[in-house]
Amino acid sequence: QKEVEQNSGPLSVPEGAIASLNCTYSDRGSQSFFWYRQYSGKSPELIMSIYSNGDKEDGRFTAQLNKASQYVSLLIRDSQPSDSATYLCAVGRYKLSFGAGTTVTVRA
Amino acid sequence: DGGITQSPKYLFRKEGQNVTLSCEQNLNHDAMYWYRQDPGQGLRLIYYSQIVNDFQKGDIAEGYSVSREKKESFPLTVTSAQKNPTAFYLCASTMDSNTEAFFGQGTRLTVV
Repeated sequence: QKEVEQNSGPLSVPEGAIASLNCTYSDRGSQSFFWYRQYSGKSPELIMSIYSNGDKEDGRFTAQLNKASQYVSLLIRDSQPSDSATYLCAVGRYKLSFGAGTTVTVRA
Repeated sequence: DGGITQSPKYLFRKEGQNVTLSCEQNLNHDAMYWYRQDPGQGLRLIYYSQIVNDFQKGDIAEGYSVSREKKESFPLTVTSAQKNPTAFYLCASTMDSNTEAFFGQGTRLTVV
């Protein structure tokens, strides 16, 4: 079982719609959870961090964490063409592990 | 400016040759990581270090070696034992294992 798994893509959404990304993790003791955005050929950049159960909102982005279900998600509201990228879920405890990523394409 | 510097940006390796990728940070972070990314794939952990003079293997350590003699530096050597080294290599650092990672700009290694 992979440590961090993300829903397979690619995900295509129309401009203005909501993009929903999911991630599950295997280590129940995981303590920190992150979403990164990566444009092609570039380094990942942090979008959201979340440490406790519930929702965390930052602008058009909302992260949701459910430790009992070992599940973390990212919602992108009012999707824009500039949101087209690969989104990486990362989970931390003794080390930082990443999922395989979900590629999102926003159609104008 | 605080950050992580990786060098070189592009690197070409001949068959059977060892090469070393540099990673330096001035963020005063304790933990440092090396990841490998293949086209269309996520980040796979090669090695990580939580403190100076100590490091642990990640998921794909075979054919790679590291050292952590200074807090600021975590070089990665790709040895001739790594049979398929062509990839994008990313170095990252964190204050500790539970805080956000800051990334360098990456090194793209190609075998010629």
